[in-house]
Amino acid sequence: DTEVTQTPKHLVMGMTNKKSLKCEQHMGHRAMYWYKQKAKKPPELMFVYSYEKLSINESVPSRFSPECPNSSLLNLHLHALQPEDSALYLCASSQPGQGAQETQYFGPGTRLLVL
Amino acid sequence: GDSVTQMEGPVTLSEEAFLTINCTYTATGYPSLFWYVQYPGEGLQLLLKATKADDKGSNKGFEATYRKETTSFHLEKGSVQVSDSAVYFCALSDQAGTALIFGKGTTLSVSS
Repeated sequence: DTEVTQTPKHLVMGMTNKKSLKCEQHMGHRAMYWYKQKAKKPPELMFVYSYEKLSINESVPSRFSPECPNSSLLNLHLHALQPEDSALYLCASSQPGQGAQETQYFGPGTRLLVL
Repeated sequence: GDSVTQMEGPVTLSEEAFLTINCTYTATGYPSLFWYVQYPGEGLQLLLKATKADDKGSNKGFEATYRKETTSFHLEKGSVQVSDSAVYFCALSDQAGTALIFGKGTTLSVSS
């Protein structure tokens, strides 16, 4: 089973709202990722968690706050977003320690619209 | 730094036509190479991968061979279907395995 699940599927929020995106995997992977994808563009890496610790933050604005409560779950907390943050947010997971052979498996994404 | 270049398309084909989407890469060391597919309104799905030179990845009739001498990983399918219409991303995994470097994506549209 190579399934990564994400909720919600769609989210509309105002610029003053606080919301959270959730991601879950049961493949025993110990690395999890958040990506942002704008229309007709490749995904852009935002954050990487390895063994539940934040290992990469690609200079993402503080209005995005990741959290990894356990090895299966990854959250992305959203606060005071801007309309330009509207995008598809993808979660992925992989098993670290395999070097270049590490394979990332993606979820279906949350489509976010900020009004 | 490492990079991936792929033909941007769009590629428009009739059903049962032969498909080639070119992908070349620049990398230090020995990266793994991947093709991901994104159907409309969905996330990315791993289509196939190859982890060393001369490896051939294959899945659902698609194939790609890791060519180190030409630094290429071209995607091919002998007979495309309407259901293959999607965006295809070529990607490589850096030596540490922590980052996927994507090409810009190629949109494929297949008509019946």
